[in-house]
Order: sequence, then structure tokens, then C-alpha cells
Amino acid sequence: DGGITQSPKYLFRKEGQNVTLSCEQNLNHDAMYWYRQDPGQGLRLIYYSQIVNDFQKGDIAEGYSVSREKKESFPLTVTSAQKNPTAFYLCASRRPGSTDTQYFGPGTRLTVL
Amino acid sequence: QQQVKQSPQSLIVQKGGISIINCAYENTAFDYFPWYQQFPGKGPALLIAIRPDVSEKKEGRFTISFNKSAKQFSLHIMDSQPGDSATYFCAASPSRAGTASKLTFGTGTRLQVTL
Repeated sequence: DGGITQSPKYLFRKEGQNVTLSCEQNLNHDAMYWYRQDPGQGLRLIYYSQIVNDFQKGDIAEGYSVSREKKESFPLTVTSAQKNPTAFYLCASRRPGSTDTQYFGPGTRLTVL
Repeated sequence: QQQVKQSPQSLIVQKGGISIINCAYENTAFDYFPWYQQFPGKGPALLIAIRPDVSEKKEGRFTISFNKSAKQFSLHIMDSQPGDSATYFCAASPSRAGTASKLTFGTGTRLQVTL
């Protein structure tokens, strides 16, 4: 099956701990994105990457970090510097070309205890 | 700064009725306008999308109407069904080369279709 996988589905973290969310895609897409979703606020862009070994900050990058060592993988680390990390995190990918469609993974719900 | 404004926040429609969700944008560089459907606990899925060269696009029961001069676009769901109950997001992005096609999302509309 082709698609985007995110793991884990649920994640619990203690305050002060860093945590890494996984995003893998086998769609051979170049571009990948991380969004944060909070109730009533839609989806907000955290980081994006258009190509391996390159990534840019989105609108709410503070307290987050990413890496893009492989085309298939775009992990997101939520650091202890993120003041309000409890949220639903969504990863997406896009195939450059005539379409701008972004395809989303199933999401990871992070809760800080 | 919210660049895509979506309304209403929630909507209740009877089965068989028409659901209408509206969005307005500010950035004139936007030229790709998708709608996503999201069920609880799931990732959003693309429903339908439009570009400014047409004023309407229809796919099955779903229609996007686009008004470039007013910078508004809307989603119409005809013959709404209980299975359509979900949260709907409009979005917009510039698609010219070098923009990374970053999507700006509306705040979402929670649709409930009653029997």
C-alpha cells in the first residue's frame, strides 16, 4: 500500500522531555510538511521540506526541530522549549508537478502530562 | 494574521439538504483552493480543489463555487448524508515555482447531518 504513516498514534510525554514523532511515506514525494492542529484553529504549518537535506520553518516553528536525511522520512522533535505541546500533529507530503495536492497521514496525538 | 476566513464554525443540516460552507481569502497570490474532509481522529483527506481559471467545479455531490473578484469560494454538498458528518477545511496556496505550495487553512466547519 502506498501512503503516509505516522507513529505512534498516541504519545504521552512528561513536561521537560523531548519527544520525536515519526513520519514515513512511500509515495516517492519530494515535499513533506508538519502541521499542528488545535481545536478551533485549523492546521498551522510547523516545518516543511522540499528536498532531502533541506527544510524551512513554517509559521509556528519555535520549540520544534526536524531533519530530512532520507526522502521517505521527515521526523519531528517536540522539544522542552515548546510551551504548549499538547496537540494533534499531522504530517503531509506532496508530489511536485501540475497538482499541489498534499496528502496527509493519520496523525499523532501528543499529550503532555 | 488569518489569511483564510471560514464560516460557519458549525453547521447542522437535515438529511437530503444542502450544506454550504464559505471561505474568504486576502492574499491575491493564492491560486489553488482545496477543500479537505476530516473525520475525528483521522488525517484530512482531499475532497475537491479548484483553480481561479474556472468559477465552478463539481464532483458528484460536492461543488466548489469560486468568485475571484470577491476573493471568496464555497463548498456546496448536495443531498447531504449522515456519512458526510465531519469537519471541513478550506485552504489556499500559491502554486508558482519556488513557493513550496504552502497551504493556509481556514479554521474548519463542523458539519452534522441529522436524520
